[in-house]
Amino acid sequence: GAGVSQTPSNKVTEKGKYVELRCDPISGHTALYWYRQSLGQGPEFLIYFQGTGAADDSGLPNDRFFAVRPEGSVSTLKIQRTERGDSAVYLCASSQKTPHTGELFFGEGSRLTVL
Amino acid sequence: DAKTTQPPSMDCAEGRAANLPCNHSTISGNEYVYWYRQIHSQGPQYIIHGLKNNETNEMASLIITEDRKSSTLILPHATLRDTAVYYCIVIDLGGGTSYGKLTFGQGTILTVHP
Repeated sequence: GAGVSQTPSNKVTEKGKYVELRCDPISGHTALYWYRQSLGQGPEFLIYFQGTGAADDSGLPNDRFFAVRPEGSVSTLKIQRTERGDSAVYLCASSQKTPHTGELFFGEGSRLTVL
Repeated sequence: DAKTTQPPSMDCAEGRAANLPCNHSTISGNEYVYWYRQIHSQGPQYIIHGLKNNETNEMASLIITEDRKSSTLILPHATLRDTAVYYCIVIDLGGGTSYGKLTFGQGTILTVHP
């Protein structure tokens, strides 16, 4: 389809393991965002990419979290030494940068469970 | 960005209009009002946005008060599929470095019943 695609849709891992979550944005969208949503809460901003560079990573909770977007399209969120508190739905969104817009297109998310 | 306040939950009968309020009393001149909704197990979906004037699209209408301190999202004929969490978000898009960094609150859980 033409929407934002996220894989895997579900990931169960053990405490201390390394996890990668992938986001494939809408073709042509230069802006890409990662959000995290804990149960019963609204989504929480993690990081924003404009092209290949992270323009704002102020939402990443600590240095175990890292994201890349090497070719300005697909992005990968990487979590090292996972902890039980990392369990959440990780949402990716994309948008057109010009004009500045608050209209983001979200994927269905990757549900991460850390045992 | 200005803080928003929404009721935690609302009910609506199918076929009736759903009116979802939002307070944003500290909104400033460059800040837009955006509405998103999130159906269970899906990502948030953009509904509508506005600055000063009332807006309407195929999904909903947005009424913004003249002083811009509050707004109402109207779903004119609610269906069961409109059951979702609705988020009102205020965002500054007026500056050269601004972008779509959304701050979600708790939202309003709208339940549409038969």
